[in-house]
Amino acid sequence: DQQVKQNSPSLSVQEGRISILNCDYTNSMFDYFLWYKKYPAEGPTFLISISSIKDKNEDGRFTVFLNKSAKHLSLHIVPSQPGDSAVYFCAASALGNQFYFGTGTSLTVIP
Amino acid sequence: EAQVTQNPRYLITVTGKKLTVTCSQNMNHEYMSWYRQDPGLGLRQIYYSMNVEVTDKGDVPEGYKVSRKEKRNFPLILESPSPNQTSLYFCASSSPGTGFGYTFGSGTRLTVV
Repeated sequence: DQQVKQNSPSLSVQEGRISILNCDYTNSMFDYFLWYKKYPAEGPTFLISISSIKDKNEDGRFTVFLNKSAKHLSLHIVPSQPGDSAVYFCAASALGNQFYFGTGTSLTVIP
Repeated sequence: EAQVTQNPRYLITVTGKKLTVTCSQNMNHEYMSWYRQDPGLGLRQIYYSMNVEVTDKGDVPEGYKVSRKEKRNFPLILESPSPNQTSLYFCASSSPGTGFGYTFGSGTRLTVV
């Protein structure tokens, strides 16, 4: 049973606009959430994280929002750039032990 | 350069022939983990290790073994590979000080025929 879900397999956005990637989880014990970016033929790269004591974390063009009551997190990329085109995975864990990943969303930023 | 190194990058083998995929990290990380990536299923954790001599099962441990005798190495062993273990495998490491963000290796594409 998938504990972390990314319901959109793909997303296309114009360069300069906002990209919003969504992730839902089912386990209320999860207290740490991460986003990874993956290019073809490479391993995933850690992008940004958030702990359950926060509802927002920013790092440059990337912001992660956490809504604990809805068990939902999202990644906002503003402005989107062609180099952001990649597959994005969200992941969640309880106490930083076993990490559960979503199935990924393929983002295409159109120049 | 801080990195996680997996070998080999590509491997084709036959059913039942034991194999080992090596993983080494040079960042002195306590945590190490193995994942497999399959279409439509995302990344699934096979085994993880919190420190030397401490390992635990992830989501899909059947058919795999691991060991953590040294902090830097975390090999993945397939004692008797089967075609359903054909997949893309990633090793990753992390330390609490990095905010639990894993550093991943470049992956091992395994095909079992």
